[in-house]
Amino acid sequence: GAGVSQSPRYKVTKRGQDVALRCDPISGHVSLYWYRQALGQGPEFLTYFNYEAQQDKSGLPNDRFSAERPEGSISTLTIQRTEQRDSAMYRCASSLGGGQGNYGYTFGSGTRLTVV
Amino acid sequence: GQQVMQIPQYQHVQEGEDFTTYCNSSTTLSNIQWYKQRPGGHPVFLIQLVKSGEVKKQKRLTFQFGEAKKNSSLHITATQTTDVGTYFCAGRSTGNQFYFGTGTSLTVIP
Repeated sequence: GAGVSQSPRYKVTKRGQDVALRCDPISGHVSLYWYRQALGQGPEFLTYFNYEAQQDKSGLPNDRFSAERPEGSISTLTIQRTEQRDSAMYRCASSLGGGQGNYGYTFGSGTRLTVV
Repeated sequence: GQQVMQIPQYQHVQEGEDFTTYCNSSTTLSNIQWYKQRPGGHPVFLIQLVKSGEVKKQKRLTFQFGEAKKNSSLHITATQTTDVGTYFCAGRSTGNQFYFGTGTSLTVIP
């Protein structure tokens, strides 16, 4: 597509439920990143992929968080057993990649997750 | 992980005044990027700096990368109301991912 598409735009879920957030990157972009952004803060790195390979997941807060990109395009970030502290804007970004971080990111509009 | 700090956190300026935000990293960076996020929007890529001491300009915006590659600055000349937003730097040491700074929120008073 023309831009990075994220769905849903808004998600309200009850504590303890699992949620899956989807990201459809720009066609042809090698690298895909997940960030979390609290209100008034900068994006916080979670994980990233080159093609289908998860390169770094050091930013995932705990083992309730996981991500996949099975075919090297669409990615899903899954949060199991959600907690109120998981409430935030979850942002996906993609870039041409290339292994040296030489390209700017294109961000999607994000998924606003609220855990009640 | 890597820490990138920005100052000031907030800045209010009269339209026409200049504005500068500073970015400091705890580690030496390979490259640094700058993003602008409008209220209610998402970060939008502005520019990337790679070389020590590099200076790049985009119209009224001047970006600088420090000699030691641990700091950077963004200067806006003669601010306009369209400059309103939060400016983030994002630094990369190793790997492909960038770590974002804390951001500077700019308000321009007409």
